Amino acid sequence: AQSVTQLDSHVSVSEGTPVLLRCNYSSSYSPSLFWYVQHPNKGLQLLLKYTSAATLVKGINGFEAEFKKSETSFHLTKPSAHMSDAAEYFCVVSDQYSDSWGKFQFGAGTQVVVTP
Amino acid sequence: DGGITQSPKYLFRKEGQNVTLSCEQNLNHDAMYWYRQDPGQGLRLIYYSQIVNDFQKGDIAEGYSVSREKKESFPLTVTSAQKNPTAFYLCASTLGDRDYNEQFFGPGTRLTVL
Repeated sequence: AQSVTQLDSHVSVSEGTPVLLRCNYSSSYSPSLFWYVQHPNKGLQLLLKYTSAATLVKGINGFEAEFKKSETSFHLTKPSAHMSDAAEYFCVVSDQYSDSWGKFQFGAGTQVVVTP
Repeated sequence: DGGITQSPKYLFRKEGQNVTLSCEQNLNHDAMYWYRQDPGQGLRLIYYSQIVNDFQKGDIAEGYSVSREKKESFPLTVTSAQKNPTAFYLCASTLGDRDYNEQFFGPGTRLTVL
């Protein structure tokens, strides 16, 4: 079975400081992992994905995430927050080779607030 | 431009009425999904379809129905049996390939029951 836990429901950062959004997952098989961003009343946009290639994944808008199998984590980071990063972020897992292939499990989301 | 369209953007329904939300994609994707989003609960899967003329129930299918008669289209009907339908509804699609399986999302439909 697959599941995902986002460890922080809210994160507040100052503009120009680093951002860290934490995600732990559970997967019985080889997981695909994703981070999405959602601005208010909009659809979700893919930031980056991991699919068993390089463990350090670079995404759009300066975001990156590191897959750590031993820790079952896929934390999202950005070195310097921008005001436009204020949004909700979702960590998502999908088992590539299980009976639940084709289904995606979403975390509850992390709301990011950026202060000037 | 390729993408997913959902209509309408806002929908108001009286109690006891069925309503249908539209989802169309021109990405040539095989798989399509419907999610419901409520504040603080992330996205919950209602139905998904991995191929035309076939679909499976998700985690919260009660009170909803779907059809998949064409590859491009996956409409969702919210029936009067759905006890609390007010929510933001998101449609998504994927190529259906194990190595290229990221989801693409539509802009969403906000349904309000009056």
